Order: sequence, then C-alpha cells, then structure tokens
Amino acid sequence: QVTLRESGPALVKPTQTLTLTCTFSGFSLSTSGMCVSWIRQPPGKALEWLARIDWDDDKYYSTSLKTRLTISKDTSKNQVVLTMTNMDPVDTATYYCARMYNSAWYLDYWGQGTLVTVSS
Amino acid sequence: QSALTQPASVSGSPGQSITISCTGTSSDVGSYNLVSWYQQHPGKAPKLMIYEGSKRPSGVSDRFSGSKSGNTASLTISGLQAEDEADYYCCSYAGSSILVFGGGTKLTVL
Repeated sequence: QVTLRESGPALVKPTQTLTLTCTFSGFSLSTSGMCVSWIRQPPGKALEWLARIDWDDDKYYSTSLKTRLTISKDTSKNQVVLTMTNMDPVDTATYYCARMYNSAWYLDYWGQGTLVTVSS
Repeated sequence: QSALTQPASVSGSPGQSITISCTGTSSDVGSYNLVSWYQQHPGKAPKLMIYEGSKRPSGVSDRFSGSKSGNTASLTISGLQAEDEADYYCCSYAGSSILVFGGGTKLTVL
C-alpha cells in the first residue's frame, strides 16, 4: 500500500534553513505521471500548497514562497526533499508530503505530517 | 494567488444534509474541473474525499458528493453522521502549475 512519512527537525531558529525529507513506499517516482507535493498548515489555520516535483524532475513552486523553496528527489531512495531558507516564526506549521498524478492536481495519499517550530 | 473562500463553519443535525461552498475566480475554480475536497479530523492528516469536482475515491461514502457552478464549487454531505464532524478544505488547480486551497470549514454535527 502507499505510505508517506515526513521527517526533519522539530525546532529551527529564525534565519536558519529547514530541510525536510519525505520517504515513501508503494509507488515509484520513476513511474511516468507520478508526483509528490509538499503542503503546510500553521496551527489552527488552513492548508497551503508549497511545491511539487514530477517523475521527470519538473518542479513547481508556490508563487509567494518560490524564492525560498527548493524541492528535489532521490528516486533510488524513494525520497523527496524540501528545503526552505530564511525561516521565520510565521513558518511554524505542520508540514505534509502527499502523492499526486501529473495533470490530476489532487492529493490522494498524505503523510502524517511533521510539526516544525521556528523559535530562538 | 488568493485562497479560495469557504464559510468558516456549518452545522447540521444527524440525518440532515449540508453543503459547503468554495468560491474562487475565473482563473481557478471557474476555469478547470480540478477541484478536490479534503476531510481533516483534529490532529490527523487530510483525507481526499472528492476529486475532479465530483468523483469519489474508492472507499469514500456515497453520502459525499461534489458539484460546481461557475466560480463556485460545493461539497454536499447527506445523511449527516457524527463521524462527519471535521474540518473540510477545498482545493483547485489555479493554472501555471499552482494549487490553491480554501480557508477551511468546520463542520459541527449537532
């Protein structure tokens, strides 16, 4: 079955760079049409889409955050990595990764999320 | 890209039907049949309930249905059950390879 799991630091300091890893199973990012997205949710607030990477290494970013985000993949390890630079307390959120299909634009399987707190 | 507009809260009694609206623009909801809906219980990850406007994934109850008119998408839950109490989020493709979410709606089953 399809599973995804996010991992990374629970606490980062302002101005630091956050690196999150999504490790998945049950599908391969070398399969045509397969994609993985990152989404975040500040405590008590709405979901926000951040980025997506496709099987062919195409990458897409949120317009408002694109200067701070980098998404990459390691197909051999079944992992997708998201980095976010210059972290600020407003970036405190639960970060999720999720699977999607190219041109389908819906997220069918989600990880359980990882809470990242930005504080000095 | 602005977030889609959803009512902050809706409520209904068991057995009743409720509808949650999701209003976007002609650049997102109105231009594509790519609206999805997610259910999120407290402390849990979102779960896909509707995709491509009105399609249900395998395993999702047929009490959940989706529709669209113009720039507004809707999620209807019929035969309301206590377990339906959760937050619901709409999401739409917004062109230029961008996804946009709604602000979320808290459903209370009275």
